Amino acid sequence: DAMVIQNPRYQVTQFGKPVTLSCSQTLNHNVMYWYQQKSSQAPKLLFHYYDKDFNNEADTPDNFQSRRPNTSFCFLDIRSPGLGDAAMYLCATSSQGDAPHVSNQPQHFGDGTRLSIL
Amino acid sequence: QKEVEQDPGPLSVPEGAIVSLNCTYSNSAFQYFMWYRQYSRKGPELLMYTYSSGNKEDGRFTAQVDKSSKYISLFIRDSQPSDSATYLCAMSRHFGNEKLTFGTGTRLTIIP
Repeated sequence: DAMVIQNPRYQVTQFGKPVTLSCSQTLNHNVMYWYQQKSSQAPKLLFHYYDKDFNNEADTPDNFQSRRPNTSFCFLDIRSPGLGDAAMYLCATSSQGDAPHVSNQPQHFGDGTRLSIL
Repeated sequence: QKEVEQDPGPLSVPEGAIVSLNCTYSNSAFQYFMWYRQYSRKGPELLMYTYSSGNKEDGRFTAQVDKSSKYISLFIRDSQPSDSATYLCAMSRHFGNEKLTFGTGTRLTIIP
């Protein structure tokens, strides 16, 4: 089945130690998103890629970076994790076609990476 | 005021009951309306989406959108214990390369 795969499912890191989360997709979608979701809260968009174009949300801290080396993969880098960065990190994909209402697809999510900070 | 308001619950109903989940919103530019189901320690799973006003049915699930009232609903008929999850409404102006605006989610428990 086509899907969005996130690794690892659980990640523990130390305060201030860089960490990288990964996302891959077999949907061949051209848009990939990273969300942060804290307990009992709605997912919060950090940034997204439309093809190779990076779009950062205005309130995303500089501590969060992303890379998309190819269509299928996207990485979230947290340069110096703080205790407040403990959360579930969700990757999602969607499709933006040339003809509206024809090939555009809604967002599909992976199962997330739960990040803990010691 | 948040752009999307959703009652966080928790909501507990007996098995077999009809469940009604609702969201209100303030941005009249929203045209696409989605319902996601999120089980504990899992990512959101897309249940249904609708474009503009109207109803859409898929098995036991019915989504309704009333753009004039800026009000959307998800109905679950013959609710099952496996329906126990958090339900998130989400909306956007377009599909594809577009930010979703989420509600905070309603935690639903179906009691056997």
